[in-house]
Amino acid sequence: DTGVSQNPRHKITKRGQNVTFRCDPISEHNRLYWYRQTLGQGPEFLTYFQNEAQLEKSRLLSDRFSAERPKGSFSTLEIQRTEQGDSAMYLCASEGPNYGYTFGSGTRLTVV
Amino acid sequence: DQQVKQNSPSLSVQEGRISILNCDYTNSMFDYFLWYKKYPAEGPTFLISISSIKDKNEDGRFTVFLNKSAKHLSLHIVPSQPGDSAVYFCAARGPNSNSGYALNFGKGTSLLVTP
Repeated sequence: DTGVSQNPRHKITKRGQNVTFRCDPISEHNRLYWYRQTLGQGPEFLTYFQNEAQLEKSRLLSDRFSAERPKGSFSTLEIQRTEQGDSAMYLCASEGPNYGYTFGSGTRLTVV
Repeated sequence: DQQVKQNSPSLSVQEGRISILNCDYTNSMFDYFLWYKKYPAEGPTFLISISSIKDKNEDGRFTVFLNKSAKHLSLHIVPSQPGDSAVYFCAARGPNSNSGYALNFGKGTSLLVTP
């Protein structure tokens, strides 16, 4: 296991379509985070899982966004009825002991 | 509300000289600070961190200084190398009414190291 894996790396979708991203964390990490990064900004927290439990959700996570982490392993982030404002880099991170956060390479979403 | 601030969007330094990247924060409850390096189209890569109970942490060419009374930290890179050219993010962890254990990031400083 070499790190956090995110798929797809890039996604172009038409406005109004649904999209789903996947994150495979480092296997022994039980905390998993989703962040969003737009141009000129730092990553912004979206949501957080401790094992399979979704414990925190940001105000940024509108009703069109939903995240799951079945069985406490991989996680998915779904955006329904995408809008142009959803265009961003979506980053997944998993946390190990001693605050060891590791980020994936991200999924770049473009809504046209 | 931006709890972690990096007020310099960019910095240019000559190869071999020292790069100093600054970061300020507002939440005195933050207990752990991290610096990440990011290349375009990639996720942030962890660089160095410091606990709030320390004032300095060093790892090779990278040193992070924490001044809790000023709520300020800085990353020193010496000597700077062209391969250090990237965007550097300061991040802080701590009790947050909205995000539990999540990191709070600054907007980043783009470092350019010229030969």
